[in-house]
Amino acid sequence: EVVLTQSPDFQSVTPKEKVTITCRASQNIETSLHWYQQKPDQSPKLLIKYASQPISGVPSRFSGSGSGTDFTLTINGLEAEDAAVYHCHQSRSFPLTFGGGTKVEIK
Amino acid sequence: EVQLVESGGDLIQPGGSLRLSCTASGFTFTNYWIHWVRQVPGKGLMWVSRVSGAGTTTAYADAVRGRFTISRDNAKNTVFLQMNSLRVEDTAVYYCVKVGLTDAAGPFDYWGQGILVTVSS
Repeated sequence: EVVLTQSPDFQSVTPKEKVTITCRASQNIETSLHWYQQKPDQSPKLLIKYASQPISGVPSRFSGSGSGTDFTLTINGLEAEDAAVYHCHQSRSFPLTFGGGTKVEIK
Repeated sequence: EVQLVESGGDLIQPGGSLRLSCTASGFTFTNYWIHWVRQVPGKGLMWVSRVSGAGTTTAYADAVRGRFTISRDNAKNTVFLQMNSLRVEDTAVYYCVKVGLTDAAGPFDYWGQGILVTVSS
C-alpha cells in the first residue's frame, strides 16, 4: 500500500502569504497524485490533477509540482476563502490512498 | 450539470446491513467508473470500492472486502453499496465519486454531498 504523508498537519497563515503543503509517497507513484480542497461541511473539490495539471475553474493561485515520491501544493497569495483542509490522493496503485490532510487556517 | 446524490444512510446496530444508493445525472453514466470514499467526521479520507462503467469489474479496500458489495444499474443511473456485517468502525460519511473519462482510479472530478452511516448499539 502506498502511504501518503502530508506536512504540515496544520498551518495558520496571514492573507496574501504563500502556502506550501507537501505530500510524500512511500514509493514511486510517478505523477499519479491529485489534490483536493475540503471546506467545512462540504465535499472535497478537485484542485490539481496528475501532480501539476490545473483544473478548469480553480483559481490560478493554486499550483502543484513534483513527481516520484515528493509533491507540493502551493497557494500563491492566500485568500480568506482558502481556509480549508487540503488532501492529496494517489491513483497509481490499489488500494487508492489519501494523505492525512492539512488544515489551513486564516490568521 | 454533473450531480451525484447519495441516499440510504441511517443509524444501524453492529452486525446489521444497509444499502447505499448513488443516483447520477448530467453525464453519460455507462462511460464512467464510480467509486465510494468514506470519511470519519473530522478525519481523513479512505477509499472503499469502485465499479466499472459496465459493472463487470469491481475492487474493494481490505477493510470492507467480503462484507461490502458494489454494483450498478445503468438503466437507472444508480450505483449501490451493499454493506453487511457492519462494524462500529464503519461509521463515516460515505461519498459517491466519479472519475474522468480516461481514468479508472482517479482523479475524482465530482463528489456527491455525502451520506452519514452510523453504526452503534
